[in-house]
Amino acid sequence: QKEVEQNSGPLSVPEGAIASLNCTYSDRGSQSFFWYRQYSGKSPELIMSIYSNGDKEDGRFTAQLNKASQYVSLLIRDSQPSDSATYLCAVNYKGGSEKLVFGKGTKLTVNP
Amino acid sequence: GAVVSQHPSWVICKSGTSVKIECRSLDFQATTMFWYRQFPKQSLMLMATSNEGSKATYEQGVEKDKFLINHASLTLSTLTVTSAHPEDSSFYICSAYRQPEQFFGPGTRLTVL
Repeated sequence: QKEVEQNSGPLSVPEGAIASLNCTYSDRGSQSFFWYRQYSGKSPELIMSIYSNGDKEDGRFTAQLNKASQYVSLLIRDSQPSDSATYLCAVNYKGGSEKLVFGKGTKLTVNP
Repeated sequence: GAVVSQHPSWVICKSGTSVKIECRSLDFQATTMFWYRQFPKQSLMLMATSNEGSKATYEQGVEKDKFLINHASLTLSTLTVTSAHPEDSSFYICSAYRQPEQFFGPGTRLTVL
């Protein structure tokens, strides 16, 4: 059973702080990793993808991947109230076609 | 780029009727699309993989005769919920695959009375 685990939260941070979201996955053969943001009542929106070990930065977002530890994280710098949402970690497993396995999501609240 | 639309955005129907939901990739061709369902405060549940020109692949526990999927072209997949019942009320979301990422449509909220 391929699994993706996330801390369900809720995670609460003050405006301007760094929010750190974590995700672990079960299959070492995983190749592609994604972070989606989902606002309440809306569909998921892709915000970051990462495929190799290390950091990938895009604006205020940084994704970090450590395949040896089977760990992927998302850092949000200078958090804004508009970042308040549920963040879904998704993993594409080698040999699993294009299907993604999603974690249950971490609910983030950024307090003004 | 990578815009995916769904229609309708919401629908209310009577128990026993069928409802068709369309998913379109607007600015790219998608040989593979996915259909998900999400109940309140729960994560996404993959229902099926829709492949252009071939039969859909359903996840375990999803009734293929109840949730009919047709991927008629490289930009359109449809999901028909047949003989809908109140327990089918949910948020149905499609995604389109453009290697190596999936892009989601805005979702269709189905309420069965």
